[in-house]
Amino acid sequence: DIQMTQSPSSLSASVGDRVTITCRASQNIYTYLNWYQQKPGKAPYLLIYGASTLQNGVPSRFSGSGSGTDFTLTISSLQPEDFATYFCQQSYMNLLFGGGTKVEIK
Amino acid sequence: QVQLVESGGGVVQPGRSLRLSCAASGFTFSSYGMHWVRQAPGKGLEWVAVTWYDESIKFYADSVKGRFTISRDNSKNTLYLQMDSLRDEDTAVYYCARDRVPSLNSASLDYWGRGTLVTVSS
Repeated sequence: DIQMTQSPSSLSASVGDRVTITCRASQNIYTYLNWYQQKPGKAPYLLIYGASTLQNGVPSRFSGSGSGTDFTLTISSLQPEDFATYFCQQSYMNLLFGGGTKVEIK
Repeated sequence: QVQLVESGGGVVQPGRSLRLSCAASGFTFSSYGMHWVRQAPGKGLEWVAVTWYDESIKFYADSVKGRFTISRDNSKNTLYLQMDSLRDEDTAVYYCARDRVPSLNSASLDYWGRGTLVTVSS
């Protein structure tokens, strides 16, 4: 079975910071990797699919990169509304989510 | 606009059954694969099951295989999850979600409901 490992599990950052979250798959998943944002008490929200394609309506400060086993979600300049938990999800073999990264205010 | 509204959650004893529903509107329901994803309190996301747009293919997570059944009624724009032999560890918010690409299984989920809470407890 494919395992998804996200790091860090949490981070503290300030508005305007550049934030990077990584996701590692236990085997090659090509670019079958999606990223979601979830705020407390809300459903997840699709940010990026296919490792690097921005979903419609998602601000351009979000970007994704990577292929194979190593992937990155970057927020170029953190905004107040970006404090949330972020999940990666592989779509190569059914679906499996990473453990999540909570982005908190510093 | 796309809307997904789950219902049917509640408190149920271990070993009992529950059926969740997800009412869809604002899109051609019969053209999209649909998923159930759950989230235990304070935990991460766990995919549960998928049904293709025409019910021709269904997949389940190992943790629910043989106990849960996903189905849909395209004439009623409704997705279902029949949950049998419930266990304490099935306690979670259950979300229905739409596959992003019609007539395919892209396994990227672009619209989600607000979720319905299932609590398994004696």
